[in-house]
Amino acid sequence: AQTVTQSQPEMSVQEAETVTLSCTYDTSESDYYLFWYKQPPSRQMILVIRQEAYKQQNATENRFSVNFQKAAKSFSLKISDSQLGDAAMYFCSGMTTDSWGKLQFGAGTQVVVTP
Amino acid sequence: GAGVSQSPSNKVTEKGKDVELRCDPISGHTALYWYRQRLGQGLEFLIYFQGNSAPDKSGLPSDRFSAERTGESVSTLTIQRTQQEDSAVYLCASSYGRYNEQFFGPGTRLTVL
Repeated sequence: AQTVTQSQPEMSVQEAETVTLSCTYDTSESDYYLFWYKQPPSRQMILVIRQEAYKQQNATENRFSVNFQKAAKSFSLKISDSQLGDAAMYFCSGMTTDSWGKLQFGAGTQVVVTP
Repeated sequence: GAGVSQSPSNKVTEKGKDVELRCDPISGHTALYWYRQRLGQGLEFLIYFQGNSAPDKSGLPSDRFSAERTGESVSTLTIQRTQQEDSAVYLCASSYGRYNEQFFGPGTRLTVL
């Protein structure tokens, strides 16, 4: 079984500043994939970034980067130089390699960006 | 190219009625997933299709829920005798394979009165 925990219901950040979203992914499996998805009010889920558990290097996509600490089961997302368009609900999710690709999601963190 | 599409966008029904929700995946995507998102919550997995077979139906909440897929194309999720607790957004996703990026549709918001 897997458990995805996001303990921050809402985070507020000013434009151009940096915000970090926390997530823990608890599984007994050693091989898995982790993801951060963004869901704006349009409901469309958009993949932000992906991390393979076997990779030691943390993933980076432009202004988005992760800090993956496997032993601590921690998978945080850092948004740098925040923009108004970053405002959305962010979901942490994961899948194990024996799970047929089904994603397990956390409860989400609402990111509010203020001018 | 075209993304994942779902219809209807919104559906309001009365308790006890049956509903059908449709998903058109991206052409060439063999894997298809259905998820449910209750208000203010994360997504819950319902069912996974590889082609037209469903190797994982473990997330279907009851026997009132069923789904089918035609080849590597359209999928329909059917909810019989709807209950108020079925009210949610139902999201469909497709991918090239089970470990590839899942592309999501815009969802169907189901409201059961």
